[in-house]
Amino acid sequence: GIQVEQSPPDLILQEGANSTLRCNFSDSVNNLQWFHQNPWGQLINLFYIPSGTKQNGRLSATTVATERYSLLYISSSQTTDSGVYFCAVERVNNNDMRFGAGTRLTVKP
Amino acid sequence: KAGVTQTPRYLIKTRGQQVTLSCSPISGHRSVSWYQQTPGQGLQFLFEYFSETQRNKGNFPGRFSGRQFSNSRSEMNVSTLELGDSALYLCASSLGRLAGVIYEQYFGPGTRLTVT
Repeated sequence: GIQVEQSPPDLILQEGANSTLRCNFSDSVNNLQWFHQNPWGQLINLFYIPSGTKQNGRLSATTVATERYSLLYISSSQTTDSGVYFCAVERVNNNDMRFGAGTRLTVKP
Repeated sequence: KAGVTQTPRYLIKTRGQQVTLSCSPISGHRSVSWYQQTPGQGLQFLFEYFSETQRNKGNFPGRFSGRQFSNSRSEMNVSTLELGDSALYLCASSLGRLAGVIYEQYFGPGTRLTVT
């Protein structure tokens, strides 16, 4: 099956700093999503981005499908950005979504 | 539009018992998937249902089962509970797949199951 690797596993920032989270995947995919898991466990959709670039406020994401990686950018980080960020991928022929292990982000005031 | 709902939110069971969890998808979504999240194994796929048919099943023992009803609501059942079944169980809904396109999945708040 597809392997999904996220880096770094942990990231500690000061409020206001920028960060880049990376997701590498081992095979071509038809779906890639970024999620933020809140302290209560719910996965909040950030981006649906099988290819290309998208922006939503202070967050943006880029997926380079041909090179099998995706990047999530967080600018001017806030303490509320803290939590675990997951990348997940799917292929048409595999009816399951594969998750990376996540990046735990801590933003300090 | 209402999001994905899961009930109950928290559950405590004893080893050997069985449990049923419920998931109501977003209106219009016919695909429902279930995932288990544990600190050791991370997020793992359990199974997916589309129009009342199970389309795929993850690598879990037969004690884990599910079903989907005609209104797209889904239930998952775990029989003969073990301590290792303690986890956050997440349900996701989507429009499914069409002509090579995989639609975005939306997750519910989860059910936190503790087995003692």
